[in-house]
Parts: sequence; structure tokens; C-alpha cells
Amino acid sequence: KQEVTQIPAALSVPEGENLVLNCSFTDSAIYNLQWFRQDPGKGLTSLLLIQSSQREQTSGRLNASLDKSSGRSTLYIAASQPGDSATYLCAVGSRGSGSRLTFGEGTQLTVNP
Amino acid sequence: ETGVTQTPRHLVMGMTNKKSLKCEQHLGHNAMYWYKQSAKKPLELMFVYSLEERVENNSVPSRFSPECPNSSHLFLHLHTLQPEDSALYLCASSQDRARKNGADEQFFGPGTRLTVL
Repeated sequence: KQEVTQIPAALSVPEGENLVLNCSFTDSAIYNLQWFRQDPGKGLTSLLLIQSSQREQTSGRLNASLDKSSGRSTLYIAASQPGDSATYLCAVGSRGSGSRLTFGEGTQLTVNP
Repeated sequence: ETGVTQTPRHLVMGMTNKKSLKCEQHLGHNAMYWYKQSAKKPLELMFVYSLEERVENNSVPSRFSPECPNSSHLFLHLHTLQPEDSALYLCASSQDRARKNGADEQFFGPGTRLTVL
């Protein structure tokens, strides 16, 4: 059974700092990995999708890497802003009809002005 | 409407009530999902529909009954719920390209906040 762990559980940084969020998973036979952002009481916003054959994906100030062999992914946020404050969720997709995502518990990020 | 929409956004119901949650996707996808998000727990996959056929139910109690009448609509019928069923229920959709492979990026709706009294 796939298990996904995110470290740290919470992070507070000053504005402008570069930061790294970590995600680890126990079964390396994944199909893809997706990073999401969730604002309080809201749904999930997809940030980046990395297919199992890829090593990284970039979107603006965000960069996500994937190392399947070690069961790890990182989300790098450059020049953080107060608007980046949210919970960041890592989800690992497994093979099958329809995607089965296994989620971590998330990292709650606060960027202070 | 764009993306994935869910109604109602908030729902309070008694344990003996029957209610339904609705999800609609406007992305042309062929797979839809129900997830449950409880406080202090990771999102849990409840149901998967691919090409309107249920392919996963993840041992969800029978008091939750999904329905997928077409590729754009997904319902979750609720009856005789328990207080511990109070949670945020999220719907998602994706394009399941080949059915034999995992699907691609999932897009989520805003969720329905359910409170069971």
C-alpha cells in the first residue's frame, strides 16, 4: 500500500525567501506525481504534474523534481510571497483505469510580509 | 461555468436525512472522482468512474452511493449518515487516456462542506 509523507508539516518564512517542500513515498512504481495548493476551506488547485518518466517540471516560480528510485519529490518555491501562503499537497498516482491518487497530509506554508 | 463545479457548497443534515451532492465538469474529461477530506487526515479516494463505469469504490460504506449518469456529471447520494461523516467532499476529473494506464492531471472542484448532526 502506497504511503505518502510530507515534511515539514508546517513552515513559516519571511517574504522573499526561497524554500523547499519535501514529499516521500514508499512504492516507487508510480505513474505520476502531482503537487496541489489548497487555501483554507477551498478545493485543490493543481500546480505541477510530473510523469514517471520525467525528472522535473517548472511553472513560474515553482519547480518540482522527482526521484522515483529514492521515492522522493521536492517542490521548490522561489522568492516566496505572502500570497503563496496555503497548504501544499503532494499526491502520487498509481496505474489503473482512472488515476488513483494517494495524498500526503500536506505542508502548511505561511509567508510573512 | 468552467472547470469543475460542485453544489451545494455547504450542507447540514440530520442522521436520518437523505441528500445528494452534485458535481459537474466542463473540461471534456472522461474520468471523475469523489474524495473525502477530514480534519487532520489526508484526502481519501472514495470512488472512481472511468467512461461512466465505476472502477473503484475503496471499501466505502453503503450509506454513500455514487451515480455517474454521463461523463460530465457525478452525484453522491447520502443516507443515514453518521457525525463522523462530517467532512469536505471533493470532486475531481481527469482525462483517462487509455484506461490501461493511469490517467493524467486531476482537476478539483471547490468541495461541499458537509456537517452531520
